[in-house]
Amino acid sequence: SQQGEEDPQALSIQEGENATMNCSYKTSINNLQWYRQNSGRGLVHLILIRSNEREKHSGRLRVTLDTSKKSSSLLITASRAADTASYFCATDLISGNTPLVFGKGTRLSVIA
Amino acid sequence: GAGVSQTPSNKVTEKGKYVELRCDPISGHTALYWYRQSLGQGPEFLIYFQGTGAADDSGLPNDRFFAVRPEGSVSTLKIQRTERGDSAVYLCASSLKGSMNTGELFFGEGSRLTVL
Repeated sequence: SQQGEEDPQALSIQEGENATMNCSYKTSINNLQWYRQNSGRGLVHLILIRSNEREKHSGRLRVTLDTSKKSSSLLITASRAADTASYFCATDLISGNTPLVFGKGTRLSVIA
Repeated sequence: GAGVSQTPSNKVTEKGKYVELRCDPISGHTALYWYRQSLGQGPEFLIYFQGTGAADDSGLPNDRFFAVRPEGSVSTLKIQRTERGDSAVYLCASSLKGSMNTGELFFGEGSRLTVL
């Protein structure tokens, strides 16, 4: 079963706009990660946020985590055509020694 | 190489045949993971190795699937009597940390399996 669910399933924006993707999960987690996947390629790690953190930045990426709502958001600012990809959240459970569980992903299209 | 290497990149086989998919993790990474990804879906966990042993194989769908990592480095995912429903991209990942908790996973490009 999938722990994380991304929303929206697909998002299309113009270059220069901001893109926001959300992830909701069901049970308490140890940490939450975001990955990116270009079409036909493997996944690439973007950022990890721990359960005791609320916000984290990396370049044009901003991730928030609200453990009370069991949700996270990924914001990409000033989007570029090269940001076009699928974005997945992944969680591991607080119970420990569990596999990283991925959501179904958000397909982002950035139009130049 | 510097990254996770998977071979073959593409495999087309007939229903009922046996298939092996290989993963060469990043040197020094003790943890190795196999995931399966169907079109439009996220990666689905299959099995996790810590060193040579399978620490968690709860994601293997049935006994036609088996994976080994005899020397704690390269891993092979083996699928017997393939079925059309096995068609997917099989992703391998490795990580430095000894536990499945925390830590970044480094993924290979995947092996696309098509069962006719």
